[in-house]
Amino acid sequence: DTAVSQTPKYLVTQMGNDKSIKCEQNLGHDTMYWYKQDSKKFLKIMFSYNNKELIINETVPNRFSPKSPDKAHLNLHINSLELGDSAVYFCASSLISSAYTIYFGEGSWLTVV
Amino acid sequence: GESVGLHLPTLSVQEGDNSIINCAYSNSASDYFIWYKQESGKGPQFIIDIRSNMDKRQGQRVTVLLNKTVKHLSLQIAATQPGDSAVYFCAERRSGGYQKVTFGTGTKLQVIP
Repeated sequence: DTAVSQTPKYLVTQMGNDKSIKCEQNLGHDTMYWYKQDSKKFLKIMFSYNNKELIINETVPNRFSPKSPDKAHLNLHINSLELGDSAVYFCASSLISSAYTIYFGEGSWLTVV
Repeated sequence: GESVGLHLPTLSVQEGDNSIINCAYSNSASDYFIWYKQESGKGPQFIIDIRSNMDKRQGQRVTVLLNKTVKHLSLQIAATQPGDSAVYFCAERRSGGYQKVTFGTGTKLQVIP
């Protein structure tokens, strides 16, 4: 029943490791996003894909690599994790025609130690 | 009571009173303004939007007001309930190209029973 689901929900890992977060949506949307929320609750877009095509790529270190195998999935791989990567990462989706109504997942809490 | 955005302030309201959450925006090219609600431990959830050519829109217990002259947006919640306790974000969508939704820094609403 979950509209936008992402796994894992919690992730604790050491600096230098590589980790992935997976996301799937069953809403039939054509656009998916990754947002990062820091400890002050500031929510910033990282990437957006429309029908598997990258359309928004904010100033994000190239250690972050999104991959969209199909329009219902958008994964985020992070290489060489740093302390500053600790945050909550939200996957989201929408229709490109109404891209102001964004549906968010529950978030993935990443802690780098 | 009311609160002004763009650093995470806290607004405390007695249950049953009306709440007003304010937000200032900077981009005159935005075509939609949106309010999202984020409950603790969850992802943001769409509440209501307003198109830039409107100055007021009402939903169920919520009203959004847009003042383009002073670039100000507000969310009014009538008869505030404990379930309204959350962080509220204003967001704006820039028109043209791939419309990116940019979030403000949020206001925490605490409802006192």
